[in-house]
Amino acid sequence: GEDVEQSLFLSVREGDSSVINCTYTDSSSTYLYWYKQEPGAGLQLLTYIFSNMDMKQDQRLTVLLNKKDKHLSLRIADTQTGDSAIYFCAENDGNKLVFGAGTILRVKS
Amino acid sequence: KAGVTQTPRYLIKTRGQQVTLSCSPISGHRSVSWYQQTPGQGLQFLFEYFSETQRNKGNFPGRFSGRQFSNSRSEMNVSTLELGDSALYLCASSLYRVTEAFFGQGTRLTVV
Repeated sequence: GEDVEQSLFLSVREGDSSVINCTYTDSSSTYLYWYKQEPGAGLQLLTYIFSNMDMKQDQRLTVLLNKKDKHLSLRIADTQTGDSAIYFCAENDGNKLVFGAGTILRVKS
Repeated sequence: KAGVTQTPRYLIKTRGQQVTLSCSPISGHRSVSWYQQTPGQGLQFLFEYFSETQRNKGNFPGRFSGRQFSNSRSEMNVSTLELGDSALYLCASSLYRVTEAFFGQGTRLTVV
């Protein structure tokens, strides 16, 4: 079945770049996503990438997709304290989203 | 454009009771999906509705059910509540297929 794995925790200094990594198993996934969840809130769609793309950039966010290795990464440039949250990687199996366990990003000022 | 609205935000119920949660999708969106989020199991897919029909279903017992109305609003119902049903229930809204899915703030259900 589908499985999405992420590292659990990342700590960076304010102003540095953050890179959150994810691996997935379903090679037929058409879209891959990054969501952000702040305490007590729902999921905020940050960005998504179609499986035939290698990279997508959106302001401070850069998504890299290595389809051969089934590896997805999210780079946040100039990380701010407001970026502290849980980041979820997800794949679309055609019917639903399958989420990883989430990466807690802590930004130190 | 209004986002996805879930009501209520918080609920406390007793074991054995039943509960109904509501989700109003983004205007024009016809697909509504439900997910359960718990610390132990993470985010798990419950079901998806499109045009008043359940299109996909996750691996949850029959105590979990849902429906969608003609205006695309959706409700999910959990009967005979168990302590393990305590979770954040999230609703996601999509235009047609689950491509760009936008989530509501969730309903925090506590079963005591």
